[in-house]
Amino acid sequence: DSGVTQTPKHLITATGQRVTLRCSPRSGDLSVYWYQQSLDQGLQFLIQYYNGEERAKGNILERFSAQQFPDLHSELNLSSLELGDSALYFCASSVPSGGDTEAFFGQGTRLTVV
Amino acid sequence: GENVEQHPSTLSVQEGDSAVIKCTYSDSASNYFPWYKQELGKGPQLIIDIRSNVGEKKDQRIAVTLNKTAKHFSLHITETQPEDSAVYFCAASGMGGGADGLTFGKGTHLIIQP
Repeated sequence: DSGVTQTPKHLITATGQRVTLRCSPRSGDLSVYWYQQSLDQGLQFLIQYYNGEERAKGNILERFSAQQFPDLHSELNLSSLELGDSALYFCASSVPSGGDTEAFFGQGTRLTVV
Repeated sequence: GENVEQHPSTLSVQEGDSAVIKCTYSDSASNYFPWYKQELGKGPQLIIDIRSNVGEKKDQRIAVTLNKTAKHFSLHITETQPEDSAVYFCAASGMGGGADGLTFGKGTHLIIQP
């Protein structure tokens, strides 16, 4: 158990809908990262939050947004869903970069858009 | 930005033999190179990492080598066992640790044949 909790584990929804994925980081970790994993693209970095503020942005679509709350949990919102958004979405957390830090991944949310 | 290439995409070895997975990176400023193992239904888990100030690091049956001049790094698993079957990801970052700025390779599916 990595200590990072993601809910729900599975989500099936229709095209055009909106969903929210939730992540609770490990106790004490201030950084939260969201990744999308698809078969053909591997692990793609979407966005990072650090202590409530957006810190880095990767290949995140405009239809997607995220936030980190004061208790450090994070939510990834996906809207106007398309079939191609079907993927595994992972959250990871870590102490800020540098030194002997490690990123811990949750078990992921499998999103299926039908 | 950084680009990480990983080979092979699938590797099948006999139990007890060695396995080698290779990655190349493009950004000479990258200084942190972690390897992650992802088992079915789970999130990636860090198994070993190396920083640019060393050329090799070992942890029991796992070793990683880094050639900064050629910008490539490799994962070596000796005396492979059935539990080594998984997908392995290499990654590179210029941020020194954690998950900041990580760019992942597309993964290698390692199959250990009994």
